[in-house]
Formats: sequence, structure tokens, C-alpha cells
Amino acid sequence: AQRVTQPEKLLSVFKGAPVELKCNYSYSGSPELFWYVQYSRQRLQLLLRHISRESIKGFTADLNKGETSFHLKKPFAQEEDSAMYYCALRGYNTDKLIFGTGTRLQVFP
Amino acid sequence: SAVISQKPSRDICQRGTSLTIQCQVDSQVTMMFWYRQQPGQSLTLIATANQGSEATYESGFVIDKFPISRPNLTFSTLTVSNMSPEDSSIYLCSVETRSDSGETQYFGPGTRLLVL
Repeated sequence: AQRVTQPEKLLSVFKGAPVELKCNYSYSGSPELFWYVQYSRQRLQLLLRHISRESIKGFTADLNKGETSFHLKKPFAQEEDSAMYYCALRGYNTDKLIFGTGTRLQVFP
Repeated sequence: SAVISQKPSRDICQRGTSLTIQCQVDSQVTMMFWYRQQPGQSLTLIATANQGSEATYESGFVIDKFPISRPNLTFSTLTVSNMSPEDSSIYLCSVETRSDSGETQYFGPGTRLLVL
């Protein structure tokens, strides 16, 4: 079955500390993985996708097919990174997105 | 990208009634989606709405409960019928666009529904 697991509901760090939001997936094939972010009082928006291999707002995520993971990382967290982060999967030849339960990141000053 | 608006932004309804949520996008799109996000849970796809064809519902969601209209390429509605408190949720509309980066889903602001 297709599934996205985000084991942490809440992650709290201090400003300047490294951050890693975990995401594991279950899919028998080659999925496309995404990270979406929702800042307070804003709509859900795409942060990054694995095929782009880009860094957005200092965040990166590498798809590890062996570990079926797509963890989101940032070396130095900022207060403005505080938000809800969702990992999502899209299977091959489908438009459906399957979301994880989300991780709330709190960055303290 | 795509700019999506939803109406209403929130509502409080009595059980047994129905609510229709509107989704408007600022450009023509083929793929539109309706999601539900129940309190403390993740987003769950209700159905995919393509213009000119009937909506495709996910397991656990039926047309009688969540009828969808898609009259053109910029607009869709989702009706939550015969509501019960279990329908209290955030309902989100999203659209998919294509670019050099691939297909991307953009989300509306959501409609927060409370059923008493």
C-alpha cells in the first residue's frame, strides 16, 4: 500500500540549530516526492520536489530509495521556518498526492 | 503557478443540512482536486474533478455524499450533503499545473466547516 510516514508531530529547535524533518514512504515503484509547507494563516504551498534537486529557503531533501526516505534538512534553522511541513508522494502515472500527517516545526529565538 | 480562491472561508452548519463550497482558479486547468483535512489528521483526497467528465472518487467517498460539479476549466464546487459532526473538517481545493519542473499542485486557502 502507498503510505507516507512522518514520525514526528512536533520538532522544536533553537535558532541556528540544524533541522531534519523525517519522511519515510511505502511504494512499490519509483515515486515522486514533495515537501509542502504551511505557514501560520497561509495556504499550503510547495517547498521542494525531489526531481528538482534544488535548495529552497536553505532546505534540501534527498531521496534515498534504499531507505525509502525523503528527509528534509536545513543546517541553520531560522525563526521564520516555524510552520507545518507535509511530505507527499505521487506514484508513477498518477496525479494523486498522498500526504503524511505533517510535522510542526517550532524554531525558538 | 495558479491562484485559487474558495468560498466560503468558514461556516457553521446544522446537522442534516448541506453546504456547497466553491473553488475558483485564475487560469484554465485540467486537473482539480478536492481534499479533506480532519482535525489533527493529514490531507485526504476526496475526488478528482476533470472538466467534461464525472468526478473520480477515492475509496470511502461517494458521489451522493460529496457531489462535485466542474462546469468549466476555472471553477468547481463540492457539496457536503446531509452533514453530521463527523464532517467537521477543512476542505481544500487544489489544481495541477505543468511547467518545466513537472506537474505541481497548488492549493486554495481551504474552507473550515463546523457541523453542530
